[in-house]
Amino acid sequence: DAKTTQPTSMDCAEGRAANLPCNHSTISGNEYVYWYRQIHSQGPQYIIHGLKNNETNEMASLIITEDRKSSTLILPHATLRDTAVYYCIVVDYGQNFVFGPGTRLSVLP
Amino acid sequence: DTEVTQTPKHLVMGMTNKKSLKCEQHMGHRAMYWYKQKAKKPPELMFVYSYEKLSINESVPSRFSPECPNSSLLNLHLHALQPEDSALYLCASSGNGRGTDTQYFGPGTRLTVL
Repeated sequence: DAKTTQPTSMDCAEGRAANLPCNHSTISGNEYVYWYRQIHSQGPQYIIHGLKNNETNEMASLIITEDRKSSTLILPHATLRDTAVYYCIVVDYGQNFVFGPGTRLSVLP
Repeated sequence: DTEVTQTPKHLVMGMTNKKSLKCEQHMGHRAMYWYKQKAKKPPELMFVYSYEKLSINESVPSRFSPECPNSSLLNLHLHALQPEDSALYLCASSGNGRGTDTQYFGPGTRLTVL
């Protein structure tokens, strides 16, 4: 079973920041938080991952709370092309990815 | 380059046919994966190859037979499939298959079993 819970769906206005939450209250100290997205009928695309510290790359920022029980993926300026299902995955060394249902993000014009 | 390629893009087959899906990566990754994704569901892991050896089989029926001819190639041989096997089949690769490696996915093969 997936170790995360995410909202089923969210809307965001084009040009605004999209903040996607993920709850992983049972996360252990060695487990990483990964984010992927899947645009309709394509393969999942890697976005970002982190362990304890906040992370930023050219696609997004990942904010992990101090107790590591939740995280937020931030797309700073959402575009229509960011409409997708976003998956938050918690994974430990030696384990494999288990995808939950994800959040369906709709970016609206 | 983080590209994983999959062929064919679409496949339609009958229940008595034998077909194969192919996956290729040239990132030097030593782990490769097959996932199955039904419509409106998340991907589910089927097989993991690590250093060209099958390391995980998630109780997949024997009508699905994986093969890893070398570290860059992964095949999935299909035989006597059922209509419920119709799905998007995704291939992924990662550095060494040790869980916390970032996986890179291919575009998938859309399989329809008639």
